[in-house]
Amino acid sequence: SQQGEEDPQALSIQEGENATMNCSYKTSINNLQWYRQNSGRGLVHLILIRSNEREKHSGRLRVTLDTSKKSSSLLITASRAADTASYFCATGKYTGRRALTFGSGTRLQVQP
Amino acid sequence: EAGVAQSPRYKIIEKRQSVAFWCNPISGHATLYWYQQILGQGPKLLIQFQNNGVVDDSQLPKDRFSAERLKGVDSTLKIQPAKLEDSAVYLCASSLTERGTEAFFGQGTRLTVV
Repeated sequence: SQQGEEDPQALSIQEGENATMNCSYKTSINNLQWYRQNSGRGLVHLILIRSNEREKHSGRLRVTLDTSKKSSSLLITASRAADTASYFCATGKYTGRRALTFGSGTRLQVQP
Repeated sequence: EAGVAQSPRYKIIEKRQSVAFWCNPISGHATLYWYQQILGQGPKLLIQFQNNGVVDDSQLPKDRFSAERLKGVDSTLKIQPAKLEDSAVYLCASSLTERGTEAFFGQGTRLTVV
């Protein structure tokens, strides 16, 4: 079963605009990660936020984590056509079932 | 640093045939995963290895799927016999540890069962 669920399922914006994707999960976690997948390719790790962190930045990416609401958001600022891809959140645990559990993804289309 | 290598990239087989996929993880990565990704969905874990031992295979359809990781390095995933619903991309990933850390993915093998 999927641990995370992304929202929206699809998002279309213009180049230069900001894109926000949300992820909700069900069980306790030790970290939450975001991955990007270009069409027909493997997943690429973008950023990891630990459960004791609330916000993290990496370049044009900003991730927030609210463990009380079991939710996270990924903000991509000043989007580019090259950001067009599917974005997945994945939850990580240090005990029990430890493999990354992925959500269903948000398909982002950035129009040039 | 070389990435995760998978082969073949594409495979088309008829239902009830068998197929095998190969994965070579990043050197030094103890943990290896096989995920199944059906079109339009997120990756679903099939099996997780720690070195050459199985950590989690709870979602592996064991009546038709098998996987091994000999000597704790390369891994193969086999499907026998294949069904139409096995059409998907099979992704191999590796990570340094088993503790939910960053995973590095291969390009995947796209399987079409006709």
